[in-house]
Amino acid sequence: DSGVTQTPKHLITATGQRVTLRCSPRSGDLSVYWYQQSLDQGLQFLIQYYNGEERAKGNILERFSAQQFPDLHSELNLSSLELGDSALYFCASSVQVETDTQYFGPGTRLTVL
Amino acid sequence: EDKVVQSPLSLVVHEGDTVTLNCSYEVTNFRSLLWYKQEKKAPTFLFMLTSSGIEKKSGRLSSILDKKELFSILNITATQTGDSAVYLCAVEANGNKLVFGAGTILRVKS
Repeated sequence: DSGVTQTPKHLITATGQRVTLRCSPRSGDLSVYWYQQSLDQGLQFLIQYYNGEERAKGNILERFSAQQFPDLHSELNLSSLELGDSALYFCASSVQVETDTQYFGPGTRLTVL
Repeated sequence: EDKVVQSPLSLVVHEGDTVTLNCSYEVTNFRSLLWYKQEKKAPTFLFMLTSSGIEKKSGRLSSILDKKELFSILNITATQTGDSAVYLCAVEANGNKLVFGAGTILRVKS
């Protein structure tokens, strides 16, 4: 158990819908990262927040957005869902903003039908 | 474009064998290289390497980084069936993002 929690564990929804994935980092960690893992793309970095502010952006689609709240939990919002968005979404956290070990949560499996 | 390449893609060994997994990279503004083990769940952190030539060890696992030749290796000695997993290499690059390789699938047979 890494100390990072993610909800929900599984999510099944239809195309065109919008979902919100939630992540609580380890106690004391200020950085939160979001990743997408699909069968054909492997693990892809989406976005990083540090202490409430966006720090780095990876391969995140415009239909996706994220934020980190004052209590440091983070939400990833996915809208206008497509079949290809079906994937495992991981959240990771670390203490510092860079060059620090990232600890992964258990992931949310999203299935878009 | 930042790139991380792992080899081999997959290997099968017998318990007790020693394996070496490779990771080469081409990224902008290298900061660190990380190894993870992924079974049927989230990746588990193994090592973070920032300096060349310094071996990191944890039990039967060890890893070393060569920043001149842009690669790292992960060694597992006396393999056990519990070592069966996907091993992921990731490089922390410009903008604090992690770029992952496709992974090496290791299967250890008893």
